[in-house]
Amino acid sequence: EVQLVESGGGLVQPGRSLRLSCTGSGFTFGDYAMSWVRQAPGKGLEWVGFIRNKAYGGTTEYAASVKGRFSISRDDSKSIAYLQMNSLEIEDTAVYYCNREVGGAPDYWGQGTLVTVSS
Amino acid sequence: QPVLTQSPSASASLGASVKLTCTLRSGHSSYAIAWHQQQPERGPRYLMKLNSDGSHSKGDGIPDRFSGSSSGAEHYLTISSLQSEDEADYYCQTWGTGIRVFGGGTKLTVL
Repeated sequence: EVQLVESGGGLVQPGRSLRLSCTGSGFTFGDYAMSWVRQAPGKGLEWVGFIRNKAYGGTTEYAASVKGRFSISRDDSKSIAYLQMNSLEIEDTAVYYCNREVGGAPDYWGQGTLVTVSS
Repeated sequence: QPVLTQSPSASASLGASVKLTCTLRSGHSSYAIAWHQQQPERGPRYLMKLNSDGSHSKGDGIPDRFSGSSSGAEHYLTISSLQSEDEADYYCQTWGTGIRVFGGGTKLTVL
């Protein structure tokens, strides 16, 4: 059974950093691109970024709203994808979901982890 | 004009059918899309991928009551024999080489 579990969320002050983790199981993690999507309170889904698998260079892409502040990495030996969030802003408050991608579409989602940016 | 447009809300009666629409912006009509369901207080769940030729592939465990179709720039999600647990937000999503985009979502109410 494919499972994705996010962790690392919490309360953080504006300007600080936070790193989220996404641990996958039930599939060969290294074969897939992994992406992050967030959802602000009462709002819709917003794509954050993704990382390609090693066969496609392991390169990353980001939404304009987070480019230069957020970075995604992966450790296939541990089946974990990371979302490093720097210079956090109040507007980054959201539930962050990781998902596994197939051909651009997420086919499995995690349960999400809440990040609250507040002073 | 957003890349993907969805009606904010829809409603249908228990046991009936409903057809939700996702419209791709002009110039993007050949793009594939995916549909995701988000029940209240839960994370999203992948329903299916729809190609521009109308072919589709569904996620694991998605009931036959959920089906998809396409006509040009419009992609549809049809839910038949509506059940109470189908009351949810439904998002369409598309992607390009280095970008992913979500529609604004449709809130489906089952009457």
